[in-house]
Amino acid sequence: GNSVTQMEGPVTLSEEAFLTINCTYTATGYPSLFWYVQYPGEGLQLLLKATKADDKGSNKGFEATYRKETTSFHLEKGSVQVSDSAVYFCALTSNSGYSTLTFGKGTMLLVSP
Amino acid sequence: AAGVIQSPRHLIKEKRETATLKCYPIPRHDTVYWYQQGPGQDPQFLISFYEKMQSDKGSIPDRFSAQQFSDYHSELNMSSLELGDSALYFCASSPLASNTGELFFGEGSRLTVL
Repeated sequence: GNSVTQMEGPVTLSEEAFLTINCTYTATGYPSLFWYVQYPGEGLQLLLKATKADDKGSNKGFEATYRKETTSFHLEKGSVQVSDSAVYFCALTSNSGYSTLTFGKGTMLLVSP
Repeated sequence: AAGVIQSPRHLIKEKRETATLKCYPIPRHDTVYWYQQGPGQDPQFLISFYEKMQSDKGSIPDRFSAQQFSDYHSELNMSSLELGDSALYFCASSPLASNTGELFFGEGSRLTVL
């Protein structure tokens, strides 16, 4: 079955530091990959996505590249802000029909001024 | 743009009581998913519906049931509530014809069981 493994948190950074949150996956076929973000007390928001190998998803300064050879989808940002403090979930779904979304355990990011 | 609407946003119940959560998907989305997120946990898939029929089933307890109606809204019914049912319940929707598998989430309904 499908599974997602992401690095445990919390990840604690100072403002303007470089961020990497690792994510690897196991899936049959060719899944779509996502990063969702959850701010404190709020719901899940799609941050970025990639639907095929070598695609790069990007949004709000965050980037992630779909690496089929390493089955990875690491999240990066060059300069984090305090407002980026949240829980980040890596997720995947297959591209066929009504497929459920499988989440990783989530990584909390704490950015201090 | 219209989003997924969930109600109520917050709900407090006693043990052994019953609760019903509602979800209104994005217009023209024919598939609805329910997820449960316990404190500090990742969202766990419960159940999904396509065109009013159950399409997939995850870790939904037997005490829970759900359905999708003709207007595509969905309801999650939870009976004999237990303390462990306290969680954030998300509904998501998508068009079956989507070729990316992206789900669109509501803001969630927070259930507290006392």
